[in-house]
Amino acid sequence: EDQVTQSPEALRLQEGESSSLNCSYTVSGLRGLFWYRQDPGKGPEFLFTLYSAGEEKEKERLKATLTKKESFLHITAPKPEDSATYLCAVQYRGGSYIPTFGRGTSLIVHP
Amino acid sequence: EAGVAQSPRYKIIEKRQSVAFWCNPISGHATLYWYQQILGQGPKLLIQFQNNGVVDDSQLPKDRFSAERLKGVDSTLKIQPAKLEDSAVYLCASSLARNEQYFGPGTRLTVT
Repeated sequence: EDQVTQSPEALRLQEGESSSLNCSYTVSGLRGLFWYRQDPGKGPEFLFTLYSAGEEKEKERLKATLTKKESFLHITAPKPEDSATYLCAVQYRGGSYIPTFGRGTSLIVHP
Repeated sequence: EAGVAQSPRYKIIEKRQSVAFWCNPISGHATLYWYQQILGQGPKLLIQFQNNGVVDDSQLPKDRFSAERLKGVDSTLKIQPAKLEDSAVYLCASSLARNEQYFGPGTRLTVT
C-alpha cells in the first residue's frame, strides 16, 4: 500500500487557469512534508517544507497547505514555465526519517 | 554555493556488466541519499548515509548494489552485475539535517 498518493497523475491547464495538486499520506507521526519540482532531465528542486496541520507556505504563484491527511499545492494563474512534474515526499518520525516520495503530478500549462 | 555534483550523466552498459556512479554533496551536508527513479515514478530511496554511517539501506538490492561514503563526503554507488530492470535515473541528494534535500542532475543508466 502506497504511503504517499498524488493526484491527478497529469494535469493540463491553460495559462492563467488556477488549480490544485493533491498529496495524501497514510503514515502517522508526520515529521515533515516536502514539495519538489522536477523538470525533464533534471533532479528534483526543493520548493516547500510543511511540518504541522494548518501551515501554509507561498512562493510566487505557488502555495502549499497541509492538513492531517493531505497537502495541496495551489497554482495561481500558472504560466507555461510552471510546466514540470511536482513531487511530494513525506517523512515520519519512525524509521530514521526515511523520506517516501509519491509518483508525482505532471503539469503542462499551455500558452 | 555549489550544488550536488554527479557523474557520469549518462551510461549505457550491457546486462551483467558493472557500473559505478559518483556523487559529491553540498559542502557541510552530513546526510547523503541515493535514489533510483524509474520513468514515470517518484524517486525510490536506495540508501541513506549520515556522515560515514548507513542510516537505512533496506531497499538496496544488496546482492548486486553496493554503496560507500568515504570520509563522510563523496559517495559511490555500484551495480554488479547489472540487469535490464536497473535501467533508470540514479539521483544523489544531500541535506543539512535530514530535512529538505538538494538533488544532483542524476545519472541516466541504460542496460541493454
